[in-house]
Amino acid sequence: GESVGLHLPTLSVQEGDNSIINCAYSNSASDYFIWYKQESGKGPQFIIDIRSNMDKRQGQRVTVLLNKTVKHLSLQIAATQPGDSAVYFCAEMPMDSSYKLIFGSGTRLLVRP
Amino acid sequence: AAGVIQSPRHLIKEKRETATLKCYPIPRHDTVYWYQQGPGQDPQFLISFYEKMQSDKGSIPDRFSAQQFSDYHSELNMSSLELGDSALYFCASSFGPFTEAFFGQGTRLTVV
Repeated sequence: GESVGLHLPTLSVQEGDNSIINCAYSNSASDYFIWYKQESGKGPQFIIDIRSNMDKRQGQRVTVLLNKTVKHLSLQIAATQPGDSAVYFCAEMPMDSSYKLIFGSGTRLLVRP
Repeated sequence: AAGVIQSPRHLIKEKRETATLKCYPIPRHDTVYWYQQGPGQDPQFLISFYEKMQSDKGSIPDRFSAQQFSDYHSELNMSSLELGDSALYFCASSFGPFTEAFFGQGTRLTVV
């Protein structure tokens, strides 16, 4: 079936550095993508979203890049802080299944002091 | 700002019992999604509702059922509980499809 997956299960970065979390998706019909941050025992927290008619979107300290040609999504976090330590998921909403957010495998981000 | 409210936060049930999880979406949100997340796993989509009608269905066991009520809150009913049903159950809400979906803090269900 269609799936959204991540390349690396764990990413360790130095505090203050930039972090890049990657995601590959397989459904070329997907129209909408969301990045979520999840801390242990808590619900996924919305970070930023992007639609398929865009290739870049910026938020506060975060940027999402979408490359539809290679079906790749990335989340860039600037000046990573200890509070950014969490598991990050990308989620995909296909055009043919618009009431279903499909989550990929999470990436754990560890921020070293 | 109001968030998605789930109740109860924690629930302990015995095998073969029944559980009901409740989800109160953000005001004016008309879409609710339910997810199950096992330890160390990704959230798995169960079912969704839009305007009180079932919209999409994922890997939801036949023992589970759900509905969305006239006030847009949703309930997930789980019968004949099994040990493997122990997980975090999240609901999310949005204003229609292809818009930001916000999650609640989840219900931790433990089946003993």
